[in-house]
Amino acid sequence: EDQVTQSPEALRLQEGESSSLNCSYTVSGLRGLFWYRQDPGKGPEFLFTLYSAGEEKEKERLKATLTKKESFLHITAPKPEDSATYLCAVGSGGSYIPTFGRGTSLIVHP
Amino acid sequence: DTEVTQTPKHLVMGMTNKKSLKCEQHMGHRAMYWYKQKAKKPPELMFVYSYEKLSINESVPSRFSPECPNSSLLNLHLHALQPEDSALYLCASSKGQGDYGYTFGSGTRLTVV
Repeated sequence: EDQVTQSPEALRLQEGESSSLNCSYTVSGLRGLFWYRQDPGKGPEFLFTLYSAGEEKEKERLKATLTKKESFLHITAPKPEDSATYLCAVGSGGSYIPTFGRGTSLIVHP
Repeated sequence: DTEVTQTPKHLVMGMTNKKSLKCEQHMGHRAMYWYKQKAKKPPELMFVYSYEKLSINESVPSRFSPECPNSSLLNLHLHALQPEDSALYLCASSKGQGDYGYTFGSGTRLTVV
């Protein structure tokens, strides 16, 4: 059974204070790892797909990296508008349906 | 058009009511999904439609009835719901089943009273 664990559950940062969110996974044949951003009461917004260890993707202040066991979402010099829940999901050869982690709730204080 | 549109955004219904949630996409995606999400929890899969046919039903109670009239539309019919069914209902689509690059709608906030 695929498993996805995100840490920390919640993270509070000051504006400009860089940090990283972790997504560790156990899957049978990784077909992709996905990061989403979700604002309260809204649907998840797709951020990145990573397919293989060593791959990196960047978008504005966000950078996602992937190893064989985990992915990191690095947030550089965050702003209050980066406050949201960040969800990680994995797709595997064992299932057509991605497995979601419980998310990390990020709050960036001005 | 790169959006999934859900209506209504908010819905309050009594336990004896019948209502429907609607979802529409015009990206040519052939897989569409219904998810249920409770506060501070990840989305929980309910149904998958692939090429307009029900592909996966995750043991959802019969008071939830999905329908896919065509490749662009997905409905979720609600009847005799319970207060514990109150949640954010999310529709998503992808190019095909097994393509994990989901596009989610903004959701319908459902409250059952």
